Amino acid sequence: DGGITQSPKYLFRKEGQNVTLSCEQNLNHDAMYWYRQDPGQGLRLIYYSQIVNDFQKGDIAEGYSVSREKKESFPLTVTSAQKNPTAFYLCASHRGQLYGYTFGSGTRLTVV
Amino acid sequence: EDKVVQSPLSLVVHEGDTVTLNCSYEVTNFRSLLWYKQEKKAPTFLFMLTSSGIEKKSGRLSSILDKKELFSILNITATQTGDSAVYLCAQAQGGSEKLVFGKGTKLTVNP
Repeated sequence: DGGITQSPKYLFRKEGQNVTLSCEQNLNHDAMYWYRQDPGQGLRLIYYSQIVNDFQKGDIAEGYSVSREKKESFPLTVTSAQKNPTAFYLCASHRGQLYGYTFGSGTRLTVV
Repeated sequence: EDKVVQSPLSLVVHEGDTVTLNCSYEVTNFRSLLWYKQEKKAPTFLFMLTSSGIEKKSGRLSSILDKKELFSILNITATQTGDSAVYLCAQAQGGSEKLVFGKGTKLTVNP
């Protein structure tokens, strides 16, 4: 079955460390997105990519970086510059304006 | 200032009750209005609304969009405990197709 796979499901990070969250899709979707969810905050857009080798900052991009070298993959790196990285991270994709998003199952990142 | 505003933020009802969840949005670059249900993990898609006044229905859930007044409602009739979740409303923006989410409505259905 086609879908989006996020890994790992849970991730613990020490302060000052960079970590990379994986997002892979086999849906042949062009557009991919990273959202962050904090309690009571809804989802906020970090980065998005509409085509391979191109991506744009979302509303809260500071302290994060992404790459889009392959259509199937859109990894997110949480850098040490992100001061409050503890959150639930969701990756999503869609294939066109008439279709809803498909979400991955998320990665819960905790800074220890 | 929030661009997508949901109300109420939290709601507690008894099984069998009918609930109405509200979502207001901005007109800027509007493409569509989407509703999702989230139970601890990934949001699951419920409805996409693009045309005003046309009700979309799926079982006990229904939704409608009012593009003149810039709001949408999600109705759930004969609620069940399995309906307990956070319901998210999102506006899709044209071009980038990025979604702007509201903070969600946490619905708790008690037996």
